[in-house]
Amino acid sequence: NAGVTQTPKFRVLKTGQSMTLLCAQDMNHEYMYWYRQDPGMGLRLIHYSVGEGTTAKGEVPDGYNVSRLKKQNFLLGLESAAPSQTSVYFCASVRGASYNEQFFGPGTRLTVL
Amino acid sequence: DQQVKQNSPSLSVQEGRISILNCDYTNSMFDYFLWYKKYPAEGPTFLISISSIKDKNEDGRFTVFLNKSAKHLSLHIVPSQPGDSAVYFCAAILLSGSEKLVFGKGTKLTVNP
Repeated sequence: NAGVTQTPKFRVLKTGQSMTLLCAQDMNHEYMYWYRQDPGMGLRLIHYSVGEGTTAKGEVPDGYNVSRLKKQNFLLGLESAAPSQTSVYFCASVRGASYNEQFFGPGTRLTVL
Repeated sequence: DQQVKQNSPSLSVQEGRISILNCDYTNSMFDYFLWYKKYPAEGPTFLISISSIKDKNEDGRFTVFLNKSAKHLSLHIVPSQPGDSAVYFCAAILLSGSEKLVFGKGTKLTVNP
């Protein structure tokens, strides 16, 4: 099993450009999450999904959109990137109940110039 | 308003000694608490968890203590090893309210040989 994978690993964008981050998991997990990690800020939840076709807002959803068309994939979109979105993005998935162990991907380092 | 607080950004201990990482929370309704460990350039990995109905959970060298009256939990690592050097995140979840983990900002542990 590959676990949780994230594509791409690194990306540099110019302000106003758009991009999509892909998260894939092969563990048949129901719940999936997108976080961002900034220095001194810990992990902050952007959006999450409790099942295929469902999404919900987290703590810092502004400027991001998500889609969960397939159970194994969770996409995070930036429609018009801003320098404030420079961060490391982590995807995670959970089997069954939300209090179970979250499995994290290796992260995507995004820089917006 | 920060619901989960890790007030020590860093901690340094000698190999073989005990490491104690602390976490405070404000919401007395949290049901579960989890600790995650993160190495540089990797995603966080689950370490140990505790239900709010317990006051202690042990897994090998790692023990988590929960003091509900003080809204405080701590992670003890005994004995500490250089490989334990990482950032440790405390997280909490409110099962009845949402499916979201709330993370603290993390404590960077350095174990010196």
